[in-house]
Amino acid sequence: KQEVTQIPAALSVPEGENLVLNCSFTDSAIYNLQWFRQDPGKGLTSLLLIQSSQREQTSGRLNASLDKSSGRSTLYIAASQPGDSATYLCAVRPMEYGNKLVFGAGTILRVKS
Amino acid sequence: DTAVSQTPKYLVTQMGNDKSIKCEQNLGHDTMYWYKQDSKKFLKIMFSYNNKELIINETVPNRFSPKSPDKAHLNLHINSLELGDSAVYFCASSLTVPDTQYFGPGTRLTVL
Repeated sequence: KQEVTQIPAALSVPEGENLVLNCSFTDSAIYNLQWFRQDPGKGLTSLLLIQSSQREQTSGRLNASLDKSSGRSTLYIAASQPGDSATYLCAVRPMEYGNKLVFGAGTILRVKS
Repeated sequence: DTAVSQTPKYLVTQMGNDKSIKCEQNLGHDTMYWYKQDSKKFLKIMFSYNNKELIINETVPNRFSPKSPDKAHLNLHINSLELGDSAVYFCASSLTVPDTQYFGPGTRLTVL
């Protein structure tokens, strides 16, 4: 059974700092891994999707890496801003059940101005 | 333009009632999903429909019944609501099965 763990559960950093969010999954048989952002009281916004054959994806100040064999992904946020404050969720799409996502519990990020 | 919309945004009701949550997507996607986010913030899939056909039905009480009148809509009907049903319910859609999923804003259900 696929399980996804995110560390840390919460993170508070000063504005301008570079930071790394971690995601690990127990079964490396995945189609892809997706990072989402969730703002309080709102839905999820997809940030980056990494296919199982890829090592990383970049979008603006965000860079996500994937090491499928070790079951790990990281989301790197450069030059953090207060507007980056949100919950960041990692989700994998298992090969066994390709039409669903298995989510981690999320990392709550607070960027202080 | 709202890509994935849900109504209502908030739903407060008594135990034992029957309620429905509606979801619509205007993205032309073939696949739609319902997820439940509990008080611990874990998101878990409940159902998935592809071209109006049920393709995932996780271990969900049969009081929950999804209905897909067409590809753009996936509604969730809940019978005999219980306290433990209180959660935020998210609808999502994707072009096909393995593609990026786009989520609605969520419906916060509170059962009293």
